[in-house]
Amino acid sequence: AQSVSQHNHHVILSEAASLELGCNYSYGGTVNLFWYVQYPGQHLQLLLKYFSGDPLVKGIKGFEAEFIKSKFSFNLRKPSVQWSDTAEYFCAVGAGSYQLTFGKGTKLSVIP
Amino acid sequence: ETGVTQTPRHLVMGMTNKKSLKCEQHLGHNAMYWYKQSAKKPLELMFVYSLEERVENNSVPSRFSPECPNSSHLFLHLHTLQPEDSALYLCASSQGGSGSLHEQYFGPGTRLTVT
Repeated sequence: AQSVSQHNHHVILSEAASLELGCNYSYGGTVNLFWYVQYPGQHLQLLLKYFSGDPLVKGIKGFEAEFIKSKFSFNLRKPSVQWSDTAEYFCAVGAGSYQLTFGKGTKLSVIP
Repeated sequence: ETGVTQTPRHLVMGMTNKKSLKCEQHLGHNAMYWYKQSAKKPLELMFVYSLEERVENNSVPSRFSPECPNSSHLFLHLHTLQPEDSALYLCASSQGGSGSLHEQYFGPGTRLTVT
C-alpha cells in the first residue's frame, strides 16, 4: 500500500518569505499527485494536481509544485507567502482505481 | 447549493444512540466517498461508492454503515459508537476516469463527538 510523508508538522513564516513544503510518497507504479489546502473554518480545496506531462505544475494563488520521480517527491512552493496563506496543506497520492492516500498535513502560519 | 454539502455540521451523540450523517453533491459526479479526519492522523478513507455500488470498504467497524441511494446522495448511519470515533467526517465526490477519480471535491464535514 502506498504512503505519504509530509516532513514538517508546523511551519511559521513571515510575510514575503519563500515557502517549500516537502512531500514524499512510497509507491512504485504510476501515480496522480495532489496538494489540497484547508483554510481555517473552510473545507478541503484542491490547490494543484499532477497527472502527467510537465513535472512543474502551477496551481491557484501562486503556488506550484514539482514532481521528481527519482526522489518520489512532490514538493509545494511559493516564492512569497501572504498572511492569507495561513492554512493546513495536505499532500495526496492517487494510485489504483479510487484510493487517494493523504499525508498528515502541514500547518502553515504566516506572520504579518 | 453548489459543490458538496453535509448535514449536520456538528453532532453530539451518546454511545447507545443511532444517528445518520448526510452528504449531497451537486456536481454531477458518479463516485462518492466517506473519510475520517482525526487530529494528528492522515485522512482515512472509509467507503467508496461508484454508480451507487460500494467499491471499497477499508476495514471499517460495522457500527458504521453507509448507504448510497443515488449518485447524488450518500449517508453514513452510526450506531453504538465509541468515544474514539469522535472526529471530523468528510464526504467527497469525483467524476469518472482513471485519473480524475482521484480529483475529489470535499464537503465541509460533520464534527462528531461521542460521549
